[in-house]
Amino acid sequence: QQQVKQSPQSLIVQKGGISIINCAYENTAFDYFPWYQQFPGKGPALLIAIRPDVSEKKEGRFTISFNKSAKQFSLHIMDSQPGDSATYFCAALNSGGYQKVTFGTGTKLQVIP
Amino acid sequence: EAGVAQSPRYKIIEKRQSVAFWCNPISGHATLYWYQQILGQGPKLLIQFQNNGVVDDSQLPKDRFSAERLKGVDSTLKIQPAKLEDSAVYLCASSWGRTSGLTDTQYFGPGTRLTVL
Repeated sequence: QQQVKQSPQSLIVQKGGISIINCAYENTAFDYFPWYQQFPGKGPALLIAIRPDVSEKKEGRFTISFNKSAKQFSLHIMDSQPGDSATYFCAALNSGGYQKVTFGTGTKLQVIP
Repeated sequence: EAGVAQSPRYKIIEKRQSVAFWCNPISGHATLYWYQQILGQGPKLLIQFQNNGVVDDSQLPKDRFSAERLKGVDSTLKIQPAKLEDSAVYLCASSWGRTSGLTDTQYFGPGTRLTVL
């Protein structure tokens, strides 16, 4: 019940295209859903996050769509750029108490020129 | 603001040897986390400290892994003896330690890549 399932495992997108990464969770106690971006040789860094009381959050070219009834959420990267090439992890946590983060398995995104 | 520091960055050891990793969190951060990231997987929490106390070590293989956070600042993670399956990147993260509904952003260090031969 603690799992966060993420797909696809890898993704190749042309420059200027839209990258879409999907995640699903089971634990209804999760109430905060961050996305992390990880470049090779670096630790993950928080990219964008959403709470389930909204269906969408946009920050620049990055948008999270959230479907509470389906327990699914996704990251959309508009106008994808080669600099976006990285591994993306969705995550989920319960913000009450000590906030243990459960990570998805990751999506390796490659944006080709 | 300086980030989370970790050392060493890389370590190669033989199985059954011991190894230790060091982490210096962001100044003032009360919570410190150690994660294990196996190639192709997401980070898995090994242990979480709040100041110098352990709040979650449910996924720490306690027969071989140990961690301490003396004085609530720096932390060390030790593996003794190492197994082949311990090959992974060990990430340290820290956060302010907010609880009760306030989101508590974790800041990650660059990690230590461990190879067990």
